[in-house]
This record gives sequence, structure tokens and C-alpha cells, in this order.
Amino acid sequence: EVQLVESGGAVVQPGGSLRLSCAASGFTFDDYAMHWVRQAPGKGLEWVSLINWDGVTTFYADSVKGRFTISRDNNKNSLYLQMDSLRVEDTALYYCVKDMGTSGYGRAWDYWGQGDQVTVSS
Amino acid sequence: SYVLTQPPSVSVAPGKTATITCGGNNSGSKSVHWYQQKPGQAPVLVVYYEIDRPSGIPDRFSGSNSGNTATLTISRVEDGDEADYYCQVWDSRYDLWVFGGGTKLTVL
Repeated sequence: EVQLVESGGAVVQPGGSLRLSCAASGFTFDDYAMHWVRQAPGKGLEWVSLINWDGVTTFYADSVKGRFTISRDNNKNSLYLQMDSLRVEDTALYYCVKDMGTSGYGRAWDYWGQGDQVTVSS
Repeated sequence: SYVLTQPPSVSVAPGKTATITCGGNNSGSKSVHWYQQKPGQAPVLVVYYEIDRPSGIPDRFSGSNSGNTATLTISRVEDGDEADYYCQVWDSRYDLWVFGGGTKLTVL
């Protein structure tokens, strides 16, 4: 059974940093690209970032480019999102998502974690 | 960047057919995926590459994509289909994923 479990969410002040983690199990982690997606309260889905299967290729939404860094450790079956210079508008539920392919672009996403809450507030 | 436009809400009676549209410039040339999100739950993939369904998704869910509009069709709607539905495409021009704004399906 595929499982994606996010952790690291917290309440942080504007300008602060946070690192989200996602522990993956039930599939061959290094065969697939991974994504972070967020959802602000009462709002729609917003893609945040992707990383390909070997971690060489990454892409970011314009809203987080230069502030967030996605990474993965295939030896630990883990995905990460380093979030710096956090803003109030980054407040959202952050989902870890598995891609159906290796590159991260074009193919659909077949498994989602339950999400982890990040709140940016003074 | 690429924009996907969905109607905010669609209502349908049980047993009828629901149609949810997703408009985008020349969307027919792109691969469109659809996700269902029930309240308090993570999204679930229901249709991918316009017409394929993951295992466990009933064949009441189907999709199409032509011209500037992709469509998710739910036949014989059930109470359990009430959810938000999102379309999604990869914008290869700007290297980013795009979601539609979501459509709330209400079963009357």
C-alpha cells in the first residue's frame, strides 16, 4: 500500500523558515518524480514544486521561486521542502504527491498524502 | 502563464449526468487530468490523459478534450460524487503545472 506521510508543519512568523518532510512507502521511491502541492483555507489547489526521480531536475511555481527548495533522499525514501522567507500568503495545507512517471511533467499524479498545515502569522 | 477556467459550481439530480468543463487555449493539444476532492480529504485522481481511469474509479467517470475545452462527465450521479473537481495540465512553455479553479459538484 502506497503511503505518503508529511511532517514538519508548524506556525511560523513572517520571514521565518520551515522544512517539510514526506516519508514514502509502498512503492519504489526512486522510480518516480514527486511534487508538493498546497491549498490555502477555502481555496483551490496550487502546485508548488516538482523534482524528478533522481533529484537532478526541479521546477517551481513563480510564487515560491527563490524562496523554496525541493529535494529528495532516495536512500531514505523521503521528499523535502525547505521554505525560507515565509509570507502570510504561504499559509496552506501542503500535500506530498507521487507522480506516475519519472520526469514530473505531463503525467498525472496517483497518490497524495493527507497534508500538513503551515501557518505563517505574527 | 496558461489559464484553465472551470465553472465554480454545477448541480445535478441523482441518477442524472453531470458535465464539468475546463477551458484553456488549445487545451485539445494538451494532456488533461482530473481530480476529485471531498471535504476534509486529499484529492483523488479520477481521470487522466482525458479518458483513462485509475483502478477503483467507476466507469461512470469519463473525459474528453477537444479544441479549447476539456470535459469531465459523471454518469448516473450518486450522492457520494458530491465534491470539488479540478482539472490540471502541464504548461510546457513555462515549465509549471496549472490547475483550474475547481468546480463544486452539488447533488440535489
